[in-house]
Amino acid sequence: GAVVSQHPSRVICKSGTSVKIECRSLDFQATTMFWYRQFPKQSLMLMATSNEGSKATYEQGVEKDKFLINHASLTLSTLTVTSAHPEDSSFYICSARGGGGSTEAFFGQGTRLTVV
Amino acid sequence: SQQGEEDPQALSIQEGENATMNCSYKTSINNLQWYRQNSGRGLVHLILIRSNEREKHSGRLRVTLDTSKKSSSLLITASRAADTASYFCATPSGYSTLTFGKGTMLLVSP
Repeated sequence: GAVVSQHPSRVICKSGTSVKIECRSLDFQATTMFWYRQFPKQSLMLMATSNEGSKATYEQGVEKDKFLINHASLTLSTLTVTSAHPEDSSFYICSARGGGGSTEAFFGQGTRLTVV
Repeated sequence: SQQGEEDPQALSIQEGENATMNCSYKTSINNLQWYRQNSGRGLVHLILIRSNEREKHSGRLRVTLDTSKKSSSLLITASRAADTASYFCATPSGYSTLTFGKGTMLLVSP
């Protein structure tokens, strides 16, 4: 299957700082990328959908000014958690979908964010 | 509302036994997918079954889909300790997004 690389896999940051998470599709062009958040022992919750070259679409309840998403190219999307708080500590996972009507999404390895 | 609901929430078995996980959903779907997630890791796509399919096999995996009952099952035969993970069903929602169930945590003991 296609490969999606997410970086970093783990990050610890201080409250009030910003953290950027990268999601790259390595061997295909991802017209659409998705960002999910997962709390311990819970399911994935979709945060936002990003399409290359346009603004991300955020799910209800997700603060777009706090979770900045940029999808500047067909192989890279970034999620920036701004002014992080301890309650932002979570597991963030991206997925990417190619074009051509594909229904399969490929997931990154996830990023464990801990805000102290 | 949660689209996919798996049961059981947790399942503990011995190596060699079969593990069955179920998923129910609420709305009509074109397909249903199953994913595996090892602790603290990303998701691995296991299998996709389309709405016109009733059963699908992939190695030790067998997936069934009953659209009349809006349910699916994932059977792992001859389980191994390496199968220990969380398993999620996912259904399409919106434009190519997925809605995930709450997952089943499977523990396979040697």
